[in-house]
Amino acid sequence: EPEVTQTPSHQVTQMGQEVILRCVPISNHLYFYWYRQILGQKVEFLVSFYNNEISEKSEIFDDQFSVERPDGSNFTLKIRSTKLEDSAMYFCASSPQGILTYGYTFGSGTRLTVV
Amino acid sequence: QQQVKQSPQSLIVQKGGIPIINCAYENTAFDYFPWYQQFPGKGPALLIAIRPDVSEKKEGRFTISFNKSAKQFSLHIMDSQPGDSATYFCAASKSGTASKLTFGTGTRLQVTL
Repeated sequence: EPEVTQTPSHQVTQMGQEVILRCVPISNHLYFYWYRQILGQKVEFLVSFYNNEISEKSEIFDDQFSVERPDGSNFTLKIRSTKLEDSAMYFCASSPQGILTYGYTFGSGTRLTVV
Repeated sequence: QQQVKQSPQSLIVQKGGIPIINCAYENTAFDYFPWYQQFPGKGPALLIAIRPDVSEKKEGRFTISFNKSAKQFSLHIMDSQPGDSATYFCAASKSGTASKLTFGTGTRLQVTL
């Protein structure tokens, strides 16, 4: 079964450093998303991406966050200057069409620890 | 108005029991209600989903009941097994080309022998 692949599985970074989280969505999917889950809490929407541009972003997705699809296969989330409160599990998801038809497929996540 | 409230926070049932997890929403524009199952260290996986034009949907041992007037929906797991032990999230979304999911707070289910 096709998978959404995320790397690395775990990243530790110092506060103030830049991190890039990488995702390879399922190949024929057109819609891409990032969500995060702070330990023990609910999954929260960060951003959706379609046709090489952001479709929607949450209030969490401020100027320190950016997304990119640099080469037609990878989908990245960059956090420019990490803060302690950015420590969370970050999930990438993709969908072939609108959510109502197929839903999402989530990756296994990247656990980001900011120290 | 964007919240989805989920209860209970945790649930322990014996093998063969029928755990029921409840969710309530406020935004009447929501028209897609999925349930996700998450195992430790893994991403959420779609279990079953319902649209508001039906009151019940069953897939295998999993059933969603939907009450549009009360703005509530619930997940029932028939003949629960220890392998069903996981965290379950309800979610809601509006129609749209890149619709976001609004998740509930999750229910940690433990099925004992």
